Amino acid sequence: EVQLVESGGGLVQVGGSLRLSCAASGFTFSDYWMHWVRQPPGKGLLWVARLTSDGSSTSYADSVKGRFTISRDNAKNTLYLQMNSLRTEDTAVYYCVRDDRYIPSVWGQGTMVTVSP
Amino acid sequence: QSALTQPRSVSGSPGQSVTISCTGTSSDVGGYNYVSWYQQHPGKAPKLMIYDVTKRPSGVPDRFSDSKSGNTASLTISGLQAEDEADYYCCSYAGSYTWVFGGGTKLTVL
Repeated sequence: EVQLVESGGGLVQVGGSLRLSCAASGFTFSDYWMHWVRQPPGKGLLWVARLTSDGSSTSYADSVKGRFTISRDNAKNTLYLQMNSLRTEDTAVYYCVRDDRYIPSVWGQGTMVTVSP
Repeated sequence: QSALTQPRSVSGSPGQSVTISCTGTSSDVGGYNYVSWYQQHPGKAPKLMIYDVTKRPSGVPDRFSDSKSGNTASLTISGLQAEDEADYYCCSYAGSYTWVFGGGTKLTVL
């Protein structure tokens, strides 16, 4: 079964850091580009970051550029999101998403990040 | 990028059809053939329902269909069922390997 399982969310104060992980299984992880997408409470989906299959190229939303870093370990079938200088507006459920030819095809169950003032 | 524009809510009775629109620009919806639609039940992750104009993942009923004209994509759900009540989001490739999503539409089955 194709599966993505996020972890690492929690409560952190403004200015703090958090690292999210996403464990992939059921498919050849190293073949796929991967993304992070977030959803603030009661609001819509927002694209956050993208990483190529070999980890050589990244893209970021303007709102997180310079603060968040997406990376992966293909040997461990794991995607990461390092989040620094967190702000209250970063509070959201963070989803790990597999990219199938520009389509967000497979989603994890999400992990909640809460940034307190 | 700005979010794609969707109606905040739509509703229909069981058995009826509803259509949800998704309006973008020539830099996203109108510029690429990579529009997809997602169903999200409360507290759950989004689920891919349809993409690339009428391609459905295994298990998604053919009651779900989509179309695109210019900068606007549309999702049509026919033969509405109670379990279709959920939030629906459109998504488009927006160039430079980024995605843009719609603001979401709440579907109520009356």
